[in-house]
Amino acid sequence: DIQMTQSPSSLSASVGDRVTITCRASQGIRNDLVWYQQKPGKAPERLIYAASSLQSGVPSRFSGSGSGTEFTLTIGSLQPEDFAIYFCLQYNTYPWTFGQGTKVEIK
Amino acid sequence: EVRLVESGGDLVQPGGSLRLSCAGSGFIPSTYSMHWVRQAPGEGLVWVSRISGDGSETVYADSVKGRFTISRDNAKNTLYLQMNSLRVEDTAVYYCATSRYGPEYWGQGTLVTVSS
Repeated sequence: DIQMTQSPSSLSASVGDRVTITCRASQGIRNDLVWYQQKPGKAPERLIYAASSLQSGVPSRFSGSGSGTEFTLTIGSLQPEDFAIYFCLQYNTYPWTFGQGTKVEIK
Repeated sequence: EVRLVESGGDLVQPGGSLRLSCAGSGFIPSTYSMHWVRQAPGEGLVWVSRISGDGSETVYADSVKGRFTISRDNAKNTLYLQMNSLRVEDTAVYYCATSRYGPEYWGQGTLVTVSS
């Protein structure tokens, strides 16, 4: 199975900060990666697909980059509604595997 | 607008069975593969199973292979997950999702609790 190592596991940031979250795949997955945001008690919402394509309706402060084994989610200017847990998912090879999640908290 | 609504979650004893349903609307079912993903309380997301748009191809996580069966009825736009020989570690919220470049639209989830 492909392991997705996500870092950091949590971070504290202030409104307006630039935030970067990383996912590393244990083997190459081309650009077959998705980023999700999840809030308590809610289903995940897709932010980015194909590593860098912005999901329709998602604010442009969210961006994704990377290919192969290293991927990054960047929130350009953190907003109050962005405090949540973020997950990556590789869909290159079954079984699809998620990163462990990054909890973004208010500093 | 794509909408997915899961149902069927319940409290069940170890070794028991349960069938989850996921009713879809707002999309042509045969054009989407569908997935089940689960999340144990306070834990991360785990992919469970996938079925192709026409229902002819299925894939399972090793942890559920031989116990769970995914199926779909495109005429009813409904996805199913038959879960047999349930274990305590199957306790989770189960989500269904459509897939295009990975899971895109998700339902709200249904809670399965396996406990004696």
